[in-house]
Amino acid sequence: DTEVTQTPKHLVMGMTNKKSLKCEQHMGHRAMYWYKQKAKKPPELMFVYSYEKLSINESVPSRFSPECPNSSLLNLHLHALQPEDSALYLCASSQGGGPLTEEGYTFGSGTRLTVV
Amino acid sequence: QKEVEQNSGPLSVPEGAIASLNCTYSDRGSQSFFWYRQYSGKSPELIMSIYSNGDKEDGRFTAQLNKASQYVSLLIRDSQPSDSATYLCAVKPRSGSARQLTFGSGTQLTVLP
Repeated sequence: DTEVTQTPKHLVMGMTNKKSLKCEQHMGHRAMYWYKQKAKKPPELMFVYSYEKLSINESVPSRFSPECPNSSLLNLHLHALQPEDSALYLCASSQGGGPLTEEGYTFGSGTRLTVV
Repeated sequence: QKEVEQNSGPLSVPEGAIASLNCTYSDRGSQSFFWYRQYSGKSPELIMSIYSNGDKEDGRFTAQLNKASQYVSLLIRDSQPSDSATYLCAVKPRSGSARQLTFGSGTQLTVLP
């Protein structure tokens, strides 16, 4: 079992729908991340929430919006998505200790999103 | 030049052999380096991390880091069919950078029984 929990595991949505992906961690980590991964490609960073500050990858379209209700939750709101947004969406967390550590990111099991 | 480069493979080795996976990075100030294993349709799983030059061993896995040459490698000894997966190299940037963990494109490994 992963210590980063993502729900739902699978989601099919229409282009006019609004849905949310949820991510929760109970490790006391101070940083959480959303990644998007297309088939046979590496994960691409979308958002970072670290020490109560949100950082956004400027290439991410506005139809994706993150929300951090508290330090252990990071949601991703989806609205008016396109078929090309179909991908595996990965949530991760880390202690947020900065570059001078060997600490990696712990990933959740992901949400497989299909936009029809 | 990509920030983190890996041979995409696929790499095939027979069971029991040593699998060698390589990764180079462009930011000379990078501080921490990671290897993730990802099975098809699953999320990445951290298997090794390394911070200092030299070798770091954990069971059948050895990570090697050479900051002067800007490369990091992963050796898998006594490869098993269950090691068949995509291996992602990831690099954490230098202190003060706004960037986060950057992934290479991954190397697909197949261990043949």
